[in-house]
Amino acid sequence: NAGVTQTPKFQVLKTGQSMTLQCAQDMNHNSMYWYRQDPGMGLRLIYYSASEGTTDKGEVPNGYNVSRLNKREFSLRLESAAPSQTSVYFCATLNDRPYYGYTFGSGTRLTVV
Amino acid sequence: DQQVKQNSPSLSVQEGRISILNCDYTNSMFDYFLWYKKYPAEGPTFLISISSIKDKNEDGRFTVFLNKSAKHLSLHIVPSQPGDSAVYFCALHRMEYGNKLVFGAGTILRVKS
Repeated sequence: NAGVTQTPKFQVLKTGQSMTLQCAQDMNHNSMYWYRQDPGMGLRLIYYSASEGTTDKGEVPNGYNVSRLNKREFSLRLESAAPSQTSVYFCATLNDRPYYGYTFGSGTRLTVV
Repeated sequence: DQQVKQNSPSLSVQEGRISILNCDYTNSMFDYFLWYKKYPAEGPTFLISISSIKDKNEDGRFTVFLNKSAKHLSLHIVPSQPGDSAVYFCALHRMEYGNKLVFGAGTILRVKS
């Protein structure tokens, strides 16, 4: 039972390059989320998907796009990477009871040079 | 508009003593209050939570207190252990926010042996 799996774990991009961060869950949860973590800023929501086929912007969506491919998978795409997008990215799913919050993946550390 | 604040970026405690982590919020409409723990190179993991209708919840060495009138949340760890050294995030949930969690910036806890 893997929970939430993120790939890749590390990535270095040059400014202007594109890439897609992958997230897959095996818990049959409906809602999935992408957050970024920056020092002193906590975790900020980029995009989320309340259910298969729906996506919505979060707090910091600029420069990103998402795809909810099916119930299991939620990908985050950077079309033209910028140094400001250097961060650690976490995917999460909402547990059946909000009292238990999210289950997070182990993160993708992205550096844009 | 920063809805959730963790005003102490770091905290250092001696092993065996009590660790108290604090979180203040501005919006009184949150319904669940959660604490997450994060080790380096890992995703955040759920620690403990409390419903807005309660003022205390205890789970082993961890107790969360909620003071709604002061809009203040705290996490007590007694006794503190070196393995508790991590970053602690408070997170607040509100159904009307589409089941999203709003996170504080985090507090780095270091337990010295």
